[in-house]
Amino acid sequence: GAGVSQSPSNKVTEKGKDVELRCDPISGHTALYWYRQSLGQGLEFLIYFQGNSAPDKSGLPSDRFSAERTGGSVSTLTIQRTQQEDSAVYLCASSFRGGYTFGSGTRLTVV
Amino acid sequence: DQQVKQNSPSLSVQEGRISILNCDYTNSMFDYFLWYKKYPAEGPTFLISISSIKDKNEDGRFTVFLNKSAKHLSLHIVPSQPGDSAVYFCAASPHLYNRKAEKLVFGKGTKLTVNP
Repeated sequence: GAGVSQSPSNKVTEKGKDVELRCDPISGHTALYWYRQSLGQGLEFLIYFQGNSAPDKSGLPSDRFSAERTGGSVSTLTIQRTQQEDSAVYLCASSFRGGYTFGSGTRLTVV
Repeated sequence: DQQVKQNSPSLSVQEGRISILNCDYTNSMFDYFLWYKKYPAEGPTFLISISSIKDKNEDGRFTVFLNKSAKHLSLHIVPSQPGDSAVYFCAASPHLYNRKAEKLVFGKGTKLTVNP
């Protein structure tokens, strides 16, 4: 596709369950980023993949969060044992040169 | 510790007038700055950028000004249109390598409302 695709667009889960969020970046984009936006907050950096380099995981809020990028393309963000404070919009972006192209996000609600 | 600050959560202007959105940063290592626009239920979209070697960049109705000594940048929209109503995020990059922006640090955003 022409843009960054994220799925699902909405996810409601029970506290304590695990969730997986998927991101399909733009073909050829070597960099992939995950951010999240909680209510009333800005975009909080989570993790960054650049080519074959080790990912920058410095933004992951706890060890319940992990992400992988397979084959330098699709990325999956996994949140284990979800908590209510994990409720947010999770945004994926990819880039090659210059600024990011964002997906529409996954709205995660933990009840 | 917020490195990029947008102190106005909201701004309301009349159609046809100028909108000025402000952004302050604290990290002197930032040298590439961007503005993104976000509509509800959509991802942010790139609007305009400026590197630290410039103090102004203009693209149509949008102009970004950078004052490095004050660690301040602003986005001017003139004339403002109702379709400009959105949340605007200021972002900064710690360094610019090979013309490629690295990890961006975002502000909390300013919600602009342009009234007809």
